Amino acid sequence: SQKIEQNSEALNIQEGKTATLTCNYTNYSPAYLQWYRQDPGRGPVFLLLIRENEKEKRKERLKVTFDTTLKQSLFHITASQPADSATYLCALEYGGSQGNLIFGKGTKLSVKP
Amino acid sequence: GAGVSQSPSNKVTEKGKDVELRCDPISGHTALYWYRQSLGQGLEFLIYFQGNSAPDKSGLPSDRFSAERTGGSVSTLTIQRTQQEDSAVYLCASSTRLAGDTQYFGPGTRLTVL
Repeated sequence: SQKIEQNSEALNIQEGKTATLTCNYTNYSPAYLQWYRQDPGRGPVFLLLIRENEKEKRKERLKVTFDTTLKQSLFHITASQPADSATYLCALEYGGSQGNLIFGKGTKLSVKP
Repeated sequence: GAGVSQSPSNKVTEKGKDVELRCDPISGHTALYWYRQSLGQGLEFLIYFQGNSAPDKSGLPSDRFSAERTGGSVSTLTIQRTQQEDSAVYLCASSTRLAGDTQYFGPGTRLTVL
């Protein structure tokens, strides 16, 4: 079955630096991969979706890459700000049901001023 | 409403009691999902409804858990004979299509079983 891993439970960086979060999967390459942000006491909020035929996708200060050879996605936040502090989850399609997702455990990002 | 709503926001119950958690998805969203998130853990898939198809119940942890979706809209997750290990945040999400669409999450219901 498909497994998804986010290598770091926590990442601490200085304001202004680029944060890079890693998401790895173990089995077949999914048709797409998604990244979500979750703040304490709230449900996850969708950020970006990248498809298997896309190498890179950008949205403002966010950039996502998708390497199907390495079975890995990288999520970058450039010029990070304390307001970017949150838990970031990656998710990919779950093999059993179309439209269903499997989520990683998340990486808790802390941006220090 | 504009987003997914869930009720109650918090629920404290005694071990052995039954609880019902409600989810109101975004209007027009055909897919509805329930997840469980324990402290410091990732999202654990529970059940998935898509239109009029039979739900995917593969994530339900035991037969004490059940869910229904009436009229293709509101969903209720029921936990019978609650146990302390059922304590978690229960999240509901909805989406518009099959593979590729994003999920919109509600704020969750925090369940505490004493």
